[in-house]
Amino acid sequence: AAGVIQSPRHLIKEKRETATLKCYPIPRHDTVYWYQQGPGQDPQFLISFYEKMQSDKGSIPDRFSAQQFSDYHSELNMSSLELGDSALYFCASSNRGAQETQYFGPGTRLLVL
Amino acid sequence: GQQLNQSPQSMFIQEGEDVSMNCTSSSIFNTWLWYKQDPGEGPVLLIALYKAGELTSNGRLTAQFGITRKDSFLNISASIPSDVGIYFCAGSLETSGSRLTFGEGTQLTVNP
Repeated sequence: AAGVIQSPRHLIKEKRETATLKCYPIPRHDTVYWYQQGPGQDPQFLISFYEKMQSDKGSIPDRFSAQQFSDYHSELNMSSLELGDSALYFCASSNRGAQETQYFGPGTRLLVL
Repeated sequence: GQQLNQSPQSMFIQEGEDVSMNCTSSSIFNTWLWYKQDPGEGPVLLIALYKAGELTSNGRLTAQFGITRKDSFLNISASIPSDVGIYFCAGSLETSGSRLTFGEGTQLTVNP
């Protein structure tokens, strides 16, 4: 079965640079979620989109923005990167018409030097 | 915001033993999910619970949605070495389309 696809899997950036993370949800899933997981931490919700509209916003820095496109893929844009942004970034997808079952992608490991 | 308290933080067991972990919350959740995460990988969904009192099994895994909707437990029977990993509970306020709040995780080590 098709799963959530994330790219790139690994990313190394310098401080103050920008990064773009991409997420391709499971086919026919209409909702995308972004989570950030620091070392030894649990995933923290950042933002979600339903039918290309922002549906919920969590602890996402103002330096970050995201959007969902007409093909339902989503991109997380991160600017003015800081050392503390180094983390695993996960995308999850679900079908809002179905019961809550979020499926996670393999994640993007971001390292800011 | 909502917090989930997950225990124990870590467990060291022998192969073949049964394992139990639980999550409690001060808030009501309408959905409870249990995930397993291997190092550097994404969480993998194990069991989803949607009704208070619901008891659901998936192979050697059994999970229950507490009657008060403020807690859930996960049992693993006859553990095997590949059960090693971090287990997370996650709660959702809605039945669909809502952010997940995660517990702190239980690190499980299984000695052969």
